[in-house]
This record gives sequence, structure tokens and C-alpha cells, in this order.
Amino acid sequence: GESVGLHLPTLSVQEGDNSIINCAYSNSASDYFIWYKQESGKGPQFIIDIRSNMDKRQGQRVTVLLNKTVKHLSLQIAATQPGDSAVYFCAENSGGSNYKLTFGKGTLLTVNP
Amino acid sequence: GAVVSQHPSWVICKSGTSVKIECRSLDFQATTMFWYRQFPKQSLMLMATSNEGSKATYEQGVEKDKFLINHASLTLSTLTVTSAHPEDSSFYICSARGPVSYEQYFGPGTRLTVT
Repeated sequence: GESVGLHLPTLSVQEGDNSIINCAYSNSASDYFIWYKQESGKGPQFIIDIRSNMDKRQGQRVTVLLNKTVKHLSLQIAATQPGDSAVYFCAENSGGSNYKLTFGKGTLLTVNP
Repeated sequence: GAVVSQHPSWVICKSGTSVKIECRSLDFQATTMFWYRQFPKQSLMLMATSNEGSKATYEQGVEKDKFLINHASLTLSTLTVTSAHPEDSSFYICSARGPVSYEQYFGPGTRLTVT
């Protein structure tokens, strides 16, 4: 199940299950959103992105859903594998010509074999 | 393609000394580079944005005299932590963006420990 720790929400799933990681973003004017995967001691790794003129985008085993009405983003991972265990962050483009990103809190996904 | 490297990957320094971290885009020209700081079990916090040849723009609460950023070329940005203190111990991550893409490519991070 999902729980909120001191700093980082956690999600624990069984191998082969589907995972859903949620994110609430802050700026209603944000037009671009990205999901990143971060393994321990490493930099963030791009997973999938979506622009605000879309509400769904699919990649390989991953799907991102965007609900602008409630400012909510979700990442669905199909057939979760132990290698998917990591911290997942959503990020939104804060606007401006530099495309600054504002990161969400992150969710620690643990996949049990 | 779109590889960003950081050097060093980890560094230990004594309180009061300065340490420089390098961020390089290896196969593209990075017109904009970003520096983030990440404390354990927390998210990435943007420290500053730097455009090649211009002064860096710092986020609110980040001391520009303490965290010196230089972006002198299209492939290299440096972050110097001056007069480091134990509370500066953190994971510092850079990212880079090319001139036509909005996507940021992240480096592997540098673990700084100040003793």
C-alpha cells in the first residue's frame, strides 16, 4: 500500500503488479510535465513527459495521465519489475524561457519479488 | 546522445575550505545549465540557472556569494562552494539543456561531505 513517511511517500508492490504513482502539481499555468526515476546515489533519469494539451501519453510499460482540472499527474507502470525500484519524481515546467523545473516530493517505489 | 557528466562524483573537504564541482555536456552544446541540491530523502531543489556567457540567476534563499557558478563555455559549468560548512553537505546535481530542446539532461551527481 501507500504511506507517507517523514519526507518521502512510499509505495510497495509485488513483482508483476501494476504500479500507480501520483503527483499533485502547483502551478495551473505549467505546460509541460516530466516523470523521472532516481536510483540511490544517481542523478534523475527521464521516463516520460507530457504537454498540457494532452491528457494521456504512453511509453514502453509506462503511461502518464494528466488531469489539469485538479492539477494531478500520475505515472502507471505495467508489470512492475524489481529493477523499477527507485524514487520517482514528477516535475513541472515553471515557465519562462529557461524551462526551469519544479520537482515534486517524490515517491519511493519498492518492488517485492 | 545527450550525456552530462559531473566531476568529482564525491568529495570530502574540511570546514572552511572551498570545493569546485564541474558539469559537462559531452555531446551537445548546453546553452542553459541548472544546479540542484538534494538532501537525503528529499526532492531536488533548484539552486540556480546559468546561461552561457551570462551571470547565473539564483533561486530565493540561495547565497550567490557562497555558491559561485561559472558557465564560461557551451559545454562546461562549475559550481564552487566557498567556505564550506557541514550543513552544505549534500548531493549536488547539474542538468543541461540545448538551444532547441526543452528537455533537461541530468548529470550523475556529486556527493559533498564537509567535515
